[in-house]
Amino acid sequence: QKEVEQDPGPLSVPEGAIVSLNCTYSNSAFQYFMWYRQYSRKGPELLMYTYSSGNKEDGRFTAQVDKSSKYISLFIRDSQPSDSATYLCAMTHPLTGRRALTFGSGTRLQVQP
Amino acid sequence: IAGITQAPTSQILAAGRRMTLRCTQDMRHNAMYWYRQDLGLGLRLIHYSNTAGTTGKGEVPDGYSVSRANTDDFPLTLASAVPSQTSVYFCASSEVSNQPQHFGDGTRLSIL
Repeated sequence: QKEVEQDPGPLSVPEGAIVSLNCTYSNSAFQYFMWYRQYSRKGPELLMYTYSSGNKEDGRFTAQVDKSSKYISLFIRDSQPSDSATYLCAMTHPLTGRRALTFGSGTRLQVQP
Repeated sequence: IAGITQAPTSQILAAGRRMTLRCTQDMRHNAMYWYRQDLGLGLRLIHYSNTAGTTGKGEVPDGYSVSRANTDDFPLTLASAVPSQTSVYFCASSEVSNQPQHFGDGTRLSIL
C-alpha cells in the first residue's frame, strides 16, 4: 500500500466549476503538506504549503488538511482552462533520514472551455 | 530569473553507456534532490543532499550516484545505463530539508 493515495483521474470539468482534488495518507507522522501543479513537459510548481489542520486560502485556491482523517484537499474556484494540469499532493515528516517529500501519483485535471 | 537549470533537456542513450545529468541552482539553497517520474508511480526520490559535501540515498538509489562538491551543483550519474532507467528526471532544491522544494523542468532520458 502506498503511503499517499491520489486518484489519477482524468477529472474533466466545465470552465467556472469548483474543482475538488484529494489525497489520503497512512502515516500520521506527516506534518507538512503541499500541493504542486505540473504542466505537460514541465517540472512541478509549488501552489500551496500548509502545516496545521484547517483551511488556507490563496486567491482561487484553498488547501484543506484534516489530520484526524489523514485527508487533504485542494479546491479550485472559478476554474479556468489554464488550470488544466496534473496536481500532485506531497507531504513530509521530520524523522531522521526522511529528508524529502512523499508524493501522490497526481490527478490530471482538464477544464473544458 | 532565479531557479534550477537541468541539462540536457532530453537524451537517447544506448544501454551500458555512462551518463551524467546536470543540475545547477542559483537560489543558494542548502538541500538538493533528484527524483525520477514514471507513469503511475509518481515522483520517487533517488538521492538527496542536505548540504554541500553530504549526500544520502533515497527510495530508488540503485544504479545512480551523486556528488555535491559545492552549493550550486548536484550532478546525477548513471554508471552503466539500463532500459529500466528510462524516465523523466527532476532535480529540486529547498532552503533547508523538509521545506517546500522547487523543481527544474526535467531531463527526458530514453535508454535503448
